[in-house]
Amino acid sequence: QQQVKQSPQSLIVQKGGISIINCAYENTAFDYFPWYQQFPGKGPALLIAIRPDVSEKKEGRFTISFNKSAKQFSLHIMDSQPGDSATYFCAPGETSGSRLTFGEGTQLTVNP
Amino acid sequence: NAGVTQTPKFQVLKTGQSMTLQCAQDMNHNSMYWYRQDPGMGLRLIYYSASEGTTDKGEVPNGYNVSRLNKREFSLRLESAAPSQTSVYFCASGFRANEKLFFGSGTQLSVL
Repeated sequence: QQQVKQSPQSLIVQKGGISIINCAYENTAFDYFPWYQQFPGKGPALLIAIRPDVSEKKEGRFTISFNKSAKQFSLHIMDSQPGDSATYFCAPGETSGSRLTFGEGTQLTVNP
Repeated sequence: NAGVTQTPKFQVLKTGQSMTLQCAQDMNHNSMYWYRQDPGMGLRLIYYSASEGTTDKGEVPNGYNVSRLNKREFSLRLESAAPSQTSVYFCASGFRANEKLFFGSGTQLSVL
């Protein structure tokens, strides 16, 4: 579990603000970097993912930024909405591997 | 299209009792996984099956056994439940580990 470290553990943002969640990893063999979103009472669902051939990927209000040298990747949520309130997990892995390593999760609350 | 179906949704056991958690997917996925989720610890991998006929231990396999019954079904068995196994259990499936994983809605297990 120490291989992947998420921060912050919890985050409170006002509607319309920017939410930023960070993920640091140790394993240099990781080459797949997804973020999962989980609502209360539900299983996690893939939100967005990046591979190391690009440094940034944007899908709507959600952006992943990847810094290979720092062994970190981040999730940015622009114009945060109350409906974004959920727990977010990073889960890096190896393309050649058979499993992902989940971070501890970040609980995001977006106030109206 | 049901996706990943887990049963039961809730279960209360006494210490020492046994039970099997069932998981089935209808997406023709090769890989299936069992995770447990505890507060502040993210999702920890118990066992996984990279393909039909194979199973491997994850991070926290002690006290559990699994069976990949066929390509669709992957069950998790607790032979002698302990209070430390109180958790929310998620089954997941995917074509490969490092592509999109689909999660079930979870089983809330309490061991008294």
